[in-house]
Amino acid sequence: NAGVTQTPKFQVLKTGQSMTLQCAQDMNHNSMYWYRQDPGMGLRLIYYSASEGTTDKGEVPNGYNVSRLNKREFSLRLESAAPSQTSVYFCASSELLDRDVWYYEQYFGPGTRLTVT
Amino acid sequence: TQLLEQSPQFLSIQEGENLTVYCNSSSVFSSLQWYRQEPGEGPVLLVTVVTGGEVKKLKRLTFQFGDARKDSSLHITAAQPGDTGLYLCAGDMDSNYQLIWGAGTKLIIKP
Repeated sequence: NAGVTQTPKFQVLKTGQSMTLQCAQDMNHNSMYWYRQDPGMGLRLIYYSASEGTTDKGEVPNGYNVSRLNKREFSLRLESAAPSQTSVYFCASSELLDRDVWYYEQYFGPGTRLTVT
Repeated sequence: TQLLEQSPQFLSIQEGENLTVYCNSSSVFSSLQWYRQEPGEGPVLLVTVVTGGEVKKLKRLTFQFGDARKDSSLHITAAQPGDTGLYLCAGDMDSNYQLIWGAGTKLIIKP
């Protein structure tokens, strides 16, 4: 199993350009997530999809859109890139587990390193 | 406002030493997870703790969930260079599908 895969691994954009980050998981998980990671700030949630057909905003959704294409795939689109969107982007998936209490464990892809000039 | 505070933010020690990193909050979590992230890679789940007072061991790593389920610690015995990485804690507040993330502790183990 590949787990969670992301493409591309690296990307350089000019301000105003658009692009789509792709993510796929082969673990049959219902939930998928997009995070950005900036130095000293940990992981910040951009959007998530609790299940196929639903998407919801996270902590920092401005400037992004998402599409849950099917159960496996969840894409992130930057319509007009800005230097403030320079970051490392991670996709993750999770499933609900039960051990006396319900909880989620998240599995991450390798990340996309995006630079906007 | 950071709901989960991790300390220290940075720690550099010699191989063979012991260390503890902390994850603290004023909020109660139904479960708490620890992840390790190596440079250029995504975070990898180490452990999930769900019961107040729970202690879990993973070889030289010992994880503890506070009795009140507001805090957690990670203790590493006889640290090795392979333990180097960013350690992240994340808590589940039962609110929805999201986890609350700490900012991380960057750990460097020098040979």
